[in-house]
Amino acid sequence: NAGVTQTPKFRVLKTGQSMTLLCAQDMNHEYMYWYRQDPGMGLRLIHYSVGEGTTAKGEVPDGYNVSRLKKQNFLLGLESAAPSQTSVYFCASTGQGGQETQYFGPGTRLLVL
Amino acid sequence: GENVEQHPSTLSVQEGDSAVIKCTYSDSASNYFPWYKQELGKRPQLIIDIRSNVGEKKDQRIAVTLNKTAKHFSLHITETQPEDSAVYFCAANTGRRALTFGSGTRLQVQP
Repeated sequence: NAGVTQTPKFRVLKTGQSMTLLCAQDMNHEYMYWYRQDPGMGLRLIHYSVGEGTTAKGEVPDGYNVSRLKKQNFLLGLESAAPSQTSVYFCASTGQGGQETQYFGPGTRLLVL
Repeated sequence: GENVEQHPSTLSVQEGDSAVIKCTYSDSASNYFPWYKQELGKRPQLIIDIRSNVGEKKDQRIAVTLNKTAKHFSLHITETQPEDSAVYFCAANTGRRALTFGSGTRLQVQP
């Protein structure tokens, strides 16, 4: 039981490049989330999903897209990376939305030059 | 939407002392309030949570109190130890689907 995993662990991009971050969970959770963490700003919700095939915007969705084609996977895409997207990205999952424990992945550190 | 404010942003205590972190929330409909601990370079992990039908909850050296009328909740750590040094985040649920996190408190326990 690996819990929540994220790929890659670290990535450097040039401005304008695109990339996809992958989150996978093996706990059969319905809800999955993408956060970004910046110094002094806590965890800010980018997008989330309440089940396979669904996505919804969070607090800071601009510049990101997501897809949930399979229940266990939640992908975060950056179509044209900007230096402002330099951050640590965490994925999380839970069985009952905002009602119980969220399990976080190990994080992806992204540097956009 | 929900807004969660957390204070202080940094807290330094001597080993063995108590530490208190406070959060306020804006949405009176919020009913779930977890606390997460994040050690340096690691992922956030749940340490304790409380629901709106309870005023206080304890787990060994950690306790959380909730005042629904004032819309604030607090984390109390007693007999602090160096391994308690970390960043602590409070959160409140945003409807039934997501959490809104506070900005974090960096706790440093001095040996």
